[in-house]
Amino acid sequence: AQSVTQPDIHITVSEGASLELRCNYSYGATPYLFWYVQSPGQGLQLLLKYFSGDTLVQGIKGFEAEFKRSQSSFNLRKPSVHWSDAAEYFCAVGARGAGSYQLTFGKGTKLSVIP
Amino acid sequence: DTAVSQTPKYLVTQMGNDKSIKCEQNLGHDTMYWYKQDSKKFLKIMFSYNNKELIINETVPNRFSPKSPDKAHLNLHINSLELGDSAVYFCASSGWSTQDTQYFGPGTRLTVL
Repeated sequence: AQSVTQPDIHITVSEGASLELRCNYSYGATPYLFWYVQSPGQGLQLLLKYFSGDTLVQGIKGFEAEFKRSQSSFNLRKPSVHWSDAAEYFCAVGARGAGSYQLTFGKGTKLSVIP
Repeated sequence: DTAVSQTPKYLVTQMGNDKSIKCEQNLGHDTMYWYKQDSKKFLKIMFSYNNKELIINETVPNRFSPKSPDKAHLNLHINSLELGDSAVYFCASSGWSTQDTQYFGPGTRLTVL
């Protein structure tokens, strides 16, 4: 069965600083990987996804993520954080099993931004 | 235009009651899902529903039952509510391809007193 680990429960960065959120996955085949963001009281919004091809994926709001098969990682990065980026970030792996396609989420990383 | 909508946004009820949460998607998707997000923000799949085929997560109690009147709707019925059912419930939808993104609704915060 697939699994996702987000090692950092809470990260605090200063506005304008760079950001990297870590994600490690476990899956036997080629993974489909996603990063979602959840603002307080809101639903989940897709930031970016990786299926194949270029291992560096660009997303919305200036985010990017790099797939590293050798490290089973899919870390999310942003060069300069804005106060509005404060939210909960979820990494997920998609897989087909038991006749359906499902997302397995990590436990999330809460990002706080200091003005 | 809201892609995936849920009603109500908040639901407060007593233990033992039966309640429903409605979900509608206007994206023309084939598959719909229900997720539960617990107090620690952990998201877990409860059901997926495609072409009248229901896939149930084995850990979901049979008090929970999804009902789909048509392809655009997947409602969640919960019988005999328990304190542990308090959570945020998210509906999502996607196409059938493994490359299709899942789009999430805004969530329904259920509080059982």
